[in-house]
Amino acid sequence: KNEVEQSPQNLTAQEGEFITINCSYSVGISALHWLQQHPGGGIVSLFMLSSGKKKHGRLIATINIQEKHSSLHITASHPRDSAVYICAVPKNTDKLIFGTGTRLQVFP
Amino acid sequence: NAGVTQTPKFQVLKTGQSMTLQCAQDMNHEYMSWYRQDPGMGLRLIHYSVGAGITDQGEVPNGYNVSRSTTEDFPLRLLSAAPSQTSVYFCASSYDGGSVWEQYFGPGTRLTVT
Repeated sequence: KNEVEQSPQNLTAQEGEFITINCSYSVGISALHWLQQHPGGGIVSLFMLSSGKKKHGRLIATINIQEKHSSLHITASHPRDSAVYICAVPKNTDKLIFGTGTRLQVFP
Repeated sequence: NAGVTQTPKFQVLKTGQSMTLQCAQDMNHEYMSWYRQDPGMGLRLIHYSVGAGITDQGEVPNGYNVSRSTTEDFPLRLLSAAPSQTSVYFCASSYDGGSVWEQYFGPGTRLTVT
């Protein structure tokens, strides 16, 4: 069993739909990262959270430490949101463990 | 700031050749790391450094060497390339809190070993 698991692996949506991507982990953490990888390959950090909820524009990330689960929500999805979304968890202060990613395609 | 830069963007090697992937950052970050990304797998840590003169192995270090003589630069050396090292390589850096801090990624190097 992977230490960080994401679901679904692939997701298609119509523009405007509400999107949820899930991440479950088995390692102890101090902060969970959500990252976005665009079709061109570049990776950017979206959120880093250790409790509760964070919001940035149409993106919302939540985490439940007790259940070892985090979700990334996208409201009013747009084709430009099409990307691979990756969650990552520090195994200790020096090493990140990554999920395999969720490939999202949003169609107009 | 240029952020994290990587060169080259693309590289084709023959089995047995050696090369160095370059990584540099201008944010004065102490922590730098190298990952490889393969289809169907998450990013995997190859080597990392918590500061100049300090390096350590990650999850998949075999076949790779690193050094950190300055804060800015963290080159990755392939000693004798093998087809199994065909991958996309990403360099990343963060503040001196290591992996618990926001990670800044380079644009990646796509390497093919024939």
